[in-house]
Amino acid sequence: ETGVTQSPTHLIKTRGQQVTLRCSSQSGHNTVSWYQQALGQGPQFIFQYYREEENGRGNFPPRFSGLQFPNYSSELNVNALELDDSALYLCASSLFGGSLYNEQFFGPGTRLTVL
Amino acid sequence: AQRVSQPEKLLSVFKGAPVELKCNYSYSGSPELFWYVQYSRQRLQLLLRHISRESIKGFTADLNKGETSFHLKKPFAQEEDSAMYYCALSHGGATNKLIFGTGTLLAVQP
Repeated sequence: ETGVTQSPTHLIKTRGQQVTLRCSSQSGHNTVSWYQQALGQGPQFIFQYYREEENGRGNFPPRFSGLQFPNYSSELNVNALELDDSALYLCASSLFGGSLYNEQFFGPGTRLTVL
Repeated sequence: AQRVSQPEKLLSVFKGAPVELKCNYSYSGSPELFWYVQYSRQRLQLLLRHISRESIKGFTADLNKGETSFHLKKPFAQEEDSAMYYCALSHGGATNKLIFGTGTLLAVQP
């Protein structure tokens, strides 16, 4: 069984730039969720993708967008980066409709620094 | 509003002492509650969920709907329990998003 992987591990960008973060879901999973974890805080839900469509969104502006591909991998795109976007971005996968649907498996995260 | 509160940022205990990590939640329906743990240099992982009613690594947590609490307990702490612990809530449905607390760092001293 392959776990959730994320790339890159670390990223440094400047204000106003755009960034793309990538996630490969755990083998057998079909749903991907993205979370933002600021320093000293718990993870905050950004959005979730299922069947290549957004399936729920948290309180994040439209400049946060995503994609899910037929192989269930996913991308998180952030446009017009702001200093407050500096955080650890976590991807989590789960199996929609499975008996343990609510269990999410997390990746190691991508640390984004915006200067 | 759905919210999870973990009042302690840091809990320091000695090895062998009992541990209780507090978690309170606010939610109008029937939530599902979880404890996630993050050991040093490792990813966030599920420790236990209330519907399983399991004991994992000696930890237990009971959902108290009257007090809206889901405290994590262990009778005798071990040094390897030192980690960051997050309480989380999911309301299930079409989106199984998790709402996390701010976390409690448990430090078990030798």
